[in-house]
Amino acid sequence: GIQVEQSPPDLILQEGANSTLRCNFSDSVNNLQWFHQNPWGQLINLFYIPSGTKQNGRLSATTVATERYSLLYISSSQTTDSGVYFCAAGGGFKTIFGAGTRLFVKA
Amino acid sequence: DTEVTQTPKHLVMGMTNKKSLKCEQHMGHRAMYWYKQKAKKPPELMFVYSYEKLSINESMPSRFSPECPNSSLLNLHLHALQPEDSALYLCASSQGHLRGDEQFFGPGTRLTVL
Repeated sequence: GIQVEQSPPDLILQEGANSTLRCNFSDSVNNLQWFHQNPWGQLINLFYIPSGTKQNGRLSATTVATERYSLLYISSSQTTDSGVYFCAAGGGFKTIFGAGTRLFVKA
Repeated sequence: DTEVTQTPKHLVMGMTNKKSLKCEQHMGHRAMYWYKQKAKKPPELMFVYSYEKLSINESMPSRFSPECPNSSLLNLHLHALQPEDSALYLCASSQGHLRGDEQFFGPGTRLTVL
């Protein structure tokens, strides 16, 4: 099956800093999603991005399907951005989550 | 409406109990999923119903039994669970396209097995 790797595993930022989270996947995929899991466990959809670039406010994402990676950019980070960021690749019964990046933003 | 609902929010059960988790979506989606998430781990796919057809993760033990009464409802029946089954159980739905599509998650049921 597909292997999904995320980096870095942990990230501590000062409020206002920018960051880039990476997701590598081992095989070509038709599906790639980014999620933010809040402290209560809710998975919040950030981007559905099998390829290309999307932006939503301070967040943007780019997937280069031919090179099997996706990047999530967080600009001007806020304390409410803290939590775990997951990418998930594959889709349907082939859905595999990466291990996540645990982000803490300090005030 | 992009909401997936799950009940109950919390559940404590003994190893001899039988209980059920429930999930509902009103987005007209034709695929529904159960995931299991242990503490500090990513969600792991357990079962998928797509157009009422079940796909199973072969590593899932038989003490977990999914049921899909219709395309809007998904249940997970629990029987003779072990303490290591304590986890957050997440339900998701998607349109059900064969090539994959965007999944939307419910808030989860936090299960404790004593």
